[in-house]
Amino acid sequence: GESVGLHLPTLSVQEGDNSIINCAYSNSASDYFIWYKQESGKGPQFIIDIRSNMDKRQGQRVTVLLNKTVKHLSLQIAATQPGDSAVYFCAENRHSGAGSYQLTFGKGTKLSVIP
Amino acid sequence: NAGVTQTPKFRVLKTGQSMTLLCAQDMNHEYMYWYRQDPGMGLRLIHYSVGEGTTAKGEVPDGYNVSRLKKQNFLLGLESAAPSQTSVYFCASRKEVSTDTQYFGPGTRLTVL
Repeated sequence: GESVGLHLPTLSVQEGDNSIINCAYSNSASDYFIWYKQESGKGPQFIIDIRSNMDKRQGQRVTVLLNKTVKHLSLQIAATQPGDSAVYFCAENRHSGAGSYQLTFGKGTKLSVIP
Repeated sequence: NAGVTQTPKFRVLKTGQSMTLLCAQDMNHEYMYWYRQDPGMGLRLIHYSVGEGTTAKGEVPDGYNVSRLKKQNFLLGLESAAPSQTSVYFCASRKEVSTDTQYFGPGTRLTVL
């Protein structure tokens, strides 16, 4: 079936190192992808997004890479900080009929930053 | 702007009781969504609305009903709560265009005994 999933459920990174969180998707018709950060006890917070006509997009300390050939998405966090500790979700935007779109979320990767 | 707010933040129900979760947004967004999040899982869509007066089923709609009588509010109802509905519920809204950012509320933690 079609799904959005993550390769690694947990990731521990030393403070100051770079983090890479991966995500696989299987719906080639998805045209938009988003990364969310969820801190404990809070709702998901938008980090960065990318459209399917792009390969790379950069934000502040974050970069999203999209490889449509292998249906793979990654989130890179530069100089990881303790405040980056959270669960990260990728989501794909799918057309659900009648002009509406829905997000389908992966299960999440927990990022732990070691001081 | 307060963004997306949810009421209540916590609730404990007994099996068979009913309740309504309220979601409000002050961003004039057309689209609104209700998700549930269970341990170790991503968010799953329960119901959504593409505008005032409209609702549609998501991935896991059974046991829930919704209403969107006003554009800024989206209500999620449980008519007869079951332990399987113990979860954290998130509301979200989006302006309109398919690639607009979806903003989430802080969540409601519901326990059904």
